[in-house]
Amino acid sequence: SQELEQSPQSLIVQEGKNLTINCTSSKTLYGLYWYKQKYGEGLIFLMMLQKGGEEKSHEKITAKLDEKKQQSSLHITASQPSHAGIYLCGAEYGGSQGNLIFGKGTKLSVKP
Amino acid sequence: GAVVSQHPSRVICKSGTSVKIECRSLDFQATTMFWYRQFPKQSLMLMATSNEGSKATYEQGVEKDKFLINHASLTLSTLTVTSAHPEDSSFYICSASFFEGFPSYGYTFGSGTRLTVV
Repeated sequence: SQELEQSPQSLIVQEGKNLTINCTSSKTLYGLYWYKQKYGEGLIFLMMLQKGGEEKSHEKITAKLDEKKQQSSLHITASQPSHAGIYLCGAEYGGSQGNLIFGKGTKLSVKP
Repeated sequence: GAVVSQHPSRVICKSGTSVKIECRSLDFQATTMFWYRQFPKQSLMLMATSNEGSKATYEQGVEKDKFLINHASLTLSTLTVTSAHPEDSSFYICSASFFEGFPSYGYTFGSGTRLTVV
């Protein structure tokens, strides 16, 4: 079974709307990374969370890690076409630091 | 679904030797493959982008002669770390993207390779 579940698989939102992407782990996380990818380009690092209850924001994107360190959410406020792409969470587990287990990704489309 | 197989998952080699890492798309043709490297507690760093049949495009600061990338077919890309040194020890991961039909596209990641140079 998948250790890391990411949802939804795809998302289409109207420009200006808020949205949330979730990443749930079956085990306690050591660290959780959020990435974004556009076609033909490499991954763009967004944020890394490590502490339970931690929350980080960059521009209109906020990522949170729950207290139990098993679930993270990525929230985009007032979405724009530039936010479109594939969002990927990567999990790091204790004892295997540096080896990331990735979610399957969320494909986000923003309609103008 | 699209699967990328990356081998080996772990390798230990002696300093000065070369190591080859394979990234193979099992059920699709990968138009573009990416190679990443990750240091402890840091995010993935893109090393290079390769398109089948053409030379890889390396990111700034990545030594072309040290990290040889070959993308000879639409299903196989290889990364060879030449004359490896302990500072090359890291986690390397490949990613492949492909067209599902304009404007849709997909991507998938290999499981990564932990390289330790002793």
